[in-house]
Amino acid sequence: EAQVTQNPRYLITVTGKKLTVTCSQNMNHEYMSWYRQDPGLGLRQIYYSMNVEVTDKGDVPEGYKVSRKEKRNFPLILESPSPNQTSLYFCASSPGQFLMNTEAFFGQGTRLTVV
Amino acid sequence: AQSVTQLGSHVSVSEGALVLLRCNYSSSVPPYLFWYVQYPNQGLQLLLKYTSAATLVKGINGFEAEFKKSETSFHLTKPSAHMSDAAEYFCAVTKGSGGSNYKLTFGKGTLLTVNP
Repeated sequence: EAQVTQNPRYLITVTGKKLTVTCSQNMNHEYMSWYRQDPGLGLRQIYYSMNVEVTDKGDVPEGYKVSRKEKRNFPLILESPSPNQTSLYFCASSPGQFLMNTEAFFGQGTRLTVV
Repeated sequence: AQSVTQLGSHVSVSEGALVLLRCNYSSSVPPYLFWYVQYPNQGLQLLLKYTSAATLVKGINGFEAEFKKSETSFHLTKPSAHMSDAAEYFCAVTKGSGGSNYKLTFGKGTLLTVNP
C-alpha cells in the first residue's frame, strides 16, 4: 500500500531534550516536506526536499533541522525543543522534483507536546 | 508570493443542504489550486485540483470547485451535505508554469459541521 509513515504518532517531551520524528514514504517520490499545523494558522511549511541531499527552508524553519540521505526518508530533528514547538506535524511527499500539478500525500501526523 | 484566503473558519450546514466553502487566491502567475480534506485524527487527503484545464473541477465524494480568474476564486461546493462530510477543509496553491513549484501554500482551513 502506498503511504507516508510518520513515527511516533504522539510524543510528550521536556524542554531541551533532542528528538527526531521520522518520515518514510514507499512511493519513490522525489519531493518531501514537513508542515506544522496550529489552530487558526492552517499548515505552515517547515522544510522541504526536492531530492536526496537537497533541502531548503520553508516558512517556519527556526528550531528545526532535516536531512535527506535516502530518497524514502526525511526525518525532522528538534535539537532543543521549546514549548512553542508544541504542534501537530505532518510529513508529505509528491512525485517529481516539483509540485506542479501533482498530488501531495500526507502522513497521519505526529502530535508533539513540549513541557 | 502566492497565498490563499479562506473566508469563514467555521461553516455549519444542515444535512442535505448546499455546502459552499470559499477560497480566494493571490498569485503573480497562473496558479495550480487544490482542495484538501482532513477528517478527525487523520492526515490530509486530496479532494480535487485545478491545473489550467477545465475551470469546473470535479472531485471525490461529490465535491466540485470552479476556477474564476476574474474573481481570483476557487470555491468548493457540494449540492447536498452528508454527515460524513464533517471535516476541516483546506485550500492550497502552488505556482503554475513560469513560477517555482516547490512550495504548497495552505489557507487557514474551514471547519465544516453538518447538523442532522
